[in-house]
Amino acid sequence: GENVEQHPSTLSVQEGDSAVIKCTYSDSASNYFPWYKQELGKRPQLIIDIRSNVGEKKDQRIAVTLNKTAKHFSLHITETQPEDSAVYFCAALGGYQKVTFGTGTKLQVIP
Amino acid sequence: EAGVAQSPRYKIIEKRQSVAFWCNPISGHATLYWYQQILGQGPKLLIQFQNNGVVDDSQLPKDRFSAERLKGVDSTLKIQPAKLEDSAVYLCASRGFTYEQYFGPGTRLTVT
Repeated sequence: GENVEQHPSTLSVQEGDSAVIKCTYSDSASNYFPWYKQELGKRPQLIIDIRSNVGEKKDQRIAVTLNKTAKHFSLHITETQPEDSAVYFCAALGGYQKVTFGTGTKLQVIP
Repeated sequence: EAGVAQSPRYKIIEKRQSVAFWCNPISGHATLYWYQQILGQGPKLLIQFQNNGVVDDSQLPKDRFSAERLKGVDSTLKIQPAKLEDSAVYLCASRGFTYEQYFGPGTRLTVT
């Protein structure tokens, strides 16, 4: 089955700096890679996603890059703000449309 | 468009008791997922339905967990008997024709 690894588990950045979170996956059939933001006590919220036929996607301060050959994808947040503080999860949609989540990255943006 | 509904939102039970959770997906969404999210971890898929059929239940502890989606709409997840390690948030999500999953608010289960 699919295995998704996510690093780092915690990340602290100064407000205004960039944050990068990386994930690797094992199933070469995976074709959809969403990123979720989860605030304490709330449901995961989709913030950006990318399909396997695209190498990069950007939405304002958030971007995702995908390297299919190396089987890894990354979330980039620029100009971080305190409200970006949360836990971020990557995920991969593989065979039979099964979704596997990464272990999460707790991002702290220090004002 | 109404979102994914779940009930109850919170439940406290003693170990060895049974509990059931309910999920009503977004209208027209054929795919329904149940996830278990233990504090500090990512959501773990328990079971995935496509209409009323099971697509994947490989991580469902079948000796104590069961789930059904009889009419291909709403779904129930049951735990019987509960163990301390079942304390978690149980998330339901549904998906339509796009890849995006829509999550419900979750049910926070505490087993004492």
